[in-house]
Amino acid sequence: EAQVTQNPRYLITVTGKKLTVTCSQNMNHEYMSWYRQDPGLGLRQIYYSMNVEVTDKGDVPEGYKVSRKEKRNFPLILESPSPNQTSLYFCASSSVGDTTRPAKNIQYFGAGTRLSVL
Amino acid sequence: SQQGEEDPQALSIQEGENATMNCSYKTSINNLQWYRQNSGRGLVHLILIRSNEREKHSGRLRVTLDTSKKSSSLLITASRAADTASYFCATLYGNNRLAFGKGNQVVVIP
Repeated sequence: EAQVTQNPRYLITVTGKKLTVTCSQNMNHEYMSWYRQDPGLGLRQIYYSMNVEVTDKGDVPEGYKVSRKEKRNFPLILESPSPNQTSLYFCASSSVGDTTRPAKNIQYFGAGTRLSVL
Repeated sequence: SQQGEEDPQALSIQEGENATMNCSYKTSINNLQWYRQNSGRGLVHLILIRSNEREKHSGRLRVTLDTSKKSSSLLITASRAADTASYFCATLYGNNRLAFGKGNQVVVIP
C-alpha cells in the first residue's frame, strides 16, 4: 500500500530537548516536504526536498533542520524545541511533475505528528 | 509566498444538500488542487484542475477555475455525513511547491 509514515504520532517534550520526527514514503517519490498546521494559519511549509541531498527552506524554517540521505526518508529535527513549535506536523511526498504531467504534483500526506513543547 | 485562500466560512448543511466553497489566489498558477482533511488527520487529495481547464468533475465533486478572476470553487453535491471535513485549495508554484489556503470547515448534519 502506498503510504507516507510519520513517527511518532504524538509527542510531549520539554524546551531544549532535541527531537526527531521521522518520515518515510514507499512510493519512490523525489519530492518530500514538511508542513506545520496551526489554528487560523493553515498549512505552512517548513522545508522541502527535491531529491536526495537536495533540501531547501520553506516559509517557516527557523528552529528546524532536515536531511535527505535516502530517497525514502526525510526526518525533521528540532535541535532545541521551544513552546512556539507546539503544532501539528505533516510530512508529504510527491513525484516531480511538470506542466505536461500535472498529476505527478499531487502530494500524499502522512497521518500527522502532534507535538507539544512544554 | 503565493497562497490559495478559501472564503473564510464554516459551512453547516443538511445531508443531501449541496456544499459550495470558494478559493482565490494571487499569482499565475500551473494547476489548482483541492484536498480534504478529516479532523486532525492528514490531507487527502480530491481533484486537480489545470490552468487551461475551466471545469472538472469527479464523482460528486465539481471544480471550476476562473483564471481571469484567480478563483476556484468546489461543489459537493448530495452531501453525506462522511463529507464532514475541512477542505483546502492549493496552488502549485515554484519547485513543485503547494501553497495552501486556510481551509473551509464543512459540517454535514445527518
